[in-house]
Amino acid sequence: GESVGLHLPTLSVQEGDNSIINCAYSNSASDYFIWYKQESGKGPQFIIDIRSNMDKRQGQRVTVLLNKTVKHLSLQIAATQPGDSAVYFCAENEMGDDKIIFGKGTRLHILP
Amino acid sequence: DVKVTQSSRYLVKRTGEKVFLECVQDMDHENMFWYRQDPGLGLRLIYFSYDVKMKEKGDIPEGYSVSREKKERFSLILESASTNQTSMYLCASSWSQGPNTGELFFGEGSRLTVL
Repeated sequence: GESVGLHLPTLSVQEGDNSIINCAYSNSASDYFIWYKQESGKGPQFIIDIRSNMDKRQGQRVTVLLNKTVKHLSLQIAATQPGDSAVYFCAENEMGDDKIIFGKGTRLHILP
Repeated sequence: DVKVTQSSRYLVKRTGEKVFLECVQDMDHENMFWYRQDPGLGLRLIYFSYDVKMKEKGDIPEGYSVSREKKERFSLILESASTNQTSMYLCASSWSQGPNTGELFFGEGSRLTVL
């Protein structure tokens, strides 16, 4: 079946460095992608989204890149801070479908 | 400030008990969702609802049912709890998928332990 998955379950990054979290998806009909951040003890929170007619979108300190050719999505966090420590999920949605399917998540550790 | 409230943060139930997990949102959202979250498996969709009294099965509906009698409230029901339903349950809501928004608003989660 279709799935959304991540390459690495855990990522450790030095404070101040840039973080890159990757995600592969397999549903070629997916046309909308979202990144969520989940801090310990809380529900996931929306970070940024991108539609399939774009290949890059920037927010505050975050950038999402979409490569439809290889069905790959990445989240880049600039100047990683201790508050960025969390589990990050990519999610996908197909136009006309109300369901949003989540990947398994990547835990981001910030090293001092 | 938008808010999704789950009635219980922690529950401990025995095998065979009936369990109700309640979720209320104050944003007048059309869509509501129930996910379960397990280590290494991410968030898996159990059921969702796009309108009052409407429900759709997600990826893992077996052993669960839902109820949406009012727009703001979406309940998850375990008719006969089993140990493999020990998990974190997350409720979420969103605007209609017309504009295809993926911004789900999540509650804090309900951690259920079935003994």
